Amino acid sequence: DAGITQSPRHKVTETGTPVTLRCHQTENHRYMYWYRQDPGHGLRLIHYSYGVKDTDKGEVSDGYSVSRSKTEDFLLTLESATSSQTSVYFCAVEGAGNEQFFGPGTRLTVL
Amino acid sequence: EDQVTQSPEALRLQEGESSSLNCSYTVSGLRGLFWYRQDPGKGPEFLFTLYSAGEEKEKERLKATLTKKESFLHITAPKPEDSATYLCAVDSGGSNYKLTFGKGTLLTVNP
Repeated sequence: DAGITQSPRHKVTETGTPVTLRCHQTENHRYMYWYRQDPGHGLRLIHYSYGVKDTDKGEVSDGYSVSRSKTEDFLLTLESATSSQTSVYFCAVEGAGNEQFFGPGTRLTVL
Repeated sequence: EDQVTQSPEALRLQEGESSSLNCSYTVSGLRGLFWYRQDPGKGPEFLFTLYSAGEEKEKERLKATLTKKESFLHITAPKPEDSATYLCAVDSGGSNYKLTFGKGTLLTVNP
């Protein structure tokens, strides 16, 4: 499972509140990714990181920010959650053959 | 812009009934094509990487093949435990190993 954990696994929050999701990996992968998965859209890249303090935007980055202060942790923050951000969020790391390994996911509901 | 289209969206088979899933892609230059399996409520699980046309990979009842425009995931004599969503993704190059995913094929194998 590439040693990836995500927390929390489930969260219900209200519109307008800040939310931070955490991805933790234990195998020193350089590249880390945040995706959201929604019915009819598949997996879409939000942000990714290519090293400590090195991050960049994906295709659906509006309303999200990320931080990576340590190799093992990649945080995704919703500054002011909206109902359109209700989704399942997956973290992934890059493997040796450019494949990606995924965490178990966080189910976020914004009321 | 990279595009990945998977068909069919859903496939229902009887146990032992072999079939194939399709992944058509449009990329500027293919660095790798990836197949994943996703069970309900879980993160995608890596299956195969294909790098060049003509390449094949096998794992148990699954065999993945690649041409210049598409990939097939052949399922031979499927069992109910093969039921899952199968995702295809492409890496079209660049320095950050970003993947573009298709929307997946939901496979159901009835006993």
